[in-house]
Amino acid sequence: EVQVVESGGGLVQPGGSLRLSCEGSGFTFSDHEMNWVRQAPGKGLEWVSHISSSGETKQYADSVKGRFTISRDNAKNLLYLQMNSLKAEDTAVYYCVRDGPILYDSSGYFFLYFDHWGQGTLVTVSS
Amino acid sequence: IVMTQTPLSSRVTLGQSASISCRSSQSLVHSDGNTYLSWLQQRPGQPPRLLIYKISNRLSGVPDRFSGSGAGTDFTLKISRVEAEDVGIYYCMQGTQFPRTFGGGTKVEIK
Repeated sequence: EVQVVESGGGLVQPGGSLRLSCEGSGFTFSDHEMNWVRQAPGKGLEWVSHISSSGETKQYADSVKGRFTISRDNAKNLLYLQMNSLKAEDTAVYYCVRDGPILYDSSGYFFLYFDHWGQGTLVTVSS
Repeated sequence: IVMTQTPLSSRVTLGQSASISCRSSQSLVHSDGNTYLSWLQQRPGQPPRLLIYKISNRLSGVPDRFSGSGAGTDFTLKISRVEAEDVGIYYCMQGTQFPRTFGGGTKVEIK
């Protein structure tokens, strides 16, 4: 069974740092691109960051660029999100989300995005 | 790409249908020819889960009561014969280009 499990959330003061982790199991972690998506309390979904399967390519939302860093350790099946200079508006549940495999249909190949989500870890930024 | 969903909420009688619209600010046709428009469901207290990908393809295990349609910039999720377990918030999402973006969500409730 495919699983992604986040950890590392908690209460942190404004300006502080936190590192989130996500462990993948039940699939070949190194074959999949991964994402972080967050959801502020009572709000909608916001994509935060993406990393390629090798870790070479990274993408960030403008709201976190320069403050957050995504990385992965394929030998340990782990995804990370290093969050620095945290602000109150970063308060949210952070989800680790897998991009699915490349699939094929009558039209050719295509990518399957966001096919598995973790339960999330809550990050609260407050003094 | 801005994703706009309507309505914000929908109250449906059990067994009736619900329809959710999603409009993107630009075409979602990717250079590979695919349209990466997905629909996700978030039940109360649960993480989101993928229901439909590439406009109209149901993920394995998703009931056929859920159907997606559309093209270009206009898309629709239809829930036929609504059941109690369908209560939740539904989001459209585009994966055609970064940053990936979501619609604001549509809350589906039972009358």
